[in-house]
Amino acid sequence: AIQLTQSPSSLSASVGDRVTITCRASQGISSALAWYQQKPGKAPKLLIYDASSLESGVPSRFSGSGSGTDFTLTISSLQPEDFATYYCQQFNNYLSFTFGPGTKVDIK
Amino acid sequence: QVQLVQSGAEVKKPGASVKVSCKASGYTFTGYYMHWVRQAPGQGLEWMGWINPNSGGTNYAQKFQGWVTMTRDTSISTAYMELSRLRSDDTAVYYCARTMNWNYHYFDYWGQGTLVTVSS
Repeated sequence: AIQLTQSPSSLSASVGDRVTITCRASQGISSALAWYQQKPGKAPKLLIYDASSLESGVPSRFSGSGSGTDFTLTISSLQPEDFATYYCQQFNNYLSFTFGPGTKVDIK
Repeated sequence: QVQLVQSGAEVKKPGASVKVSCKASGYTFTGYYMHWVRQAPGQGLEWMGWINPNSGGTNYAQKFQGWVTMTRDTSISTAYMELSRLRSDDTAVYYCARTMNWNYHYFDYWGQGTLVTVSS
């Protein structure tokens, strides 16, 4: 099964900061990667799919890039509502799906 | 609007089974796969499997094969996930999640989650 790792596992940032989170797959997955945001007690929310496509209604400060094994989620200017945990998810075939371990973004 | 409404919290004893429901509305139930994902307290997301609501076909993560069963009732647009032989480490919030479309297995709508607590 394809494994996903994320770095960092947590980070502290201030409002207005540019934040970058990395997700690495154990084998190539083309662009079959999504990013989700999860706040405490809530279900995850889809932000990015196909590595770089912005989900409808998601602010443009969120962007994704990468292909193959290395992917990045960038928040261009961190807003108060962005403090949350972020997960990547791979979809390389219809049989096996994996989430990364998560990156917690909190207030510096 | 699309909604996935799950059944309420459950408390079960070790060795018992639990069946969680996920009622869909606002879209054609048979037009999108439904996945199940769980999250243990303070932990990350764990994919469990999917059901094709049109055919009833299923695909389970290897870890759960033999002890999870996913079914659906198209007449009431509801998907079910049953987990048997529960252990304490099955304590988690269980989510249903709809795929974006038939081919894109990214999850654009999620249920509110169902907390299953396994305790003697």
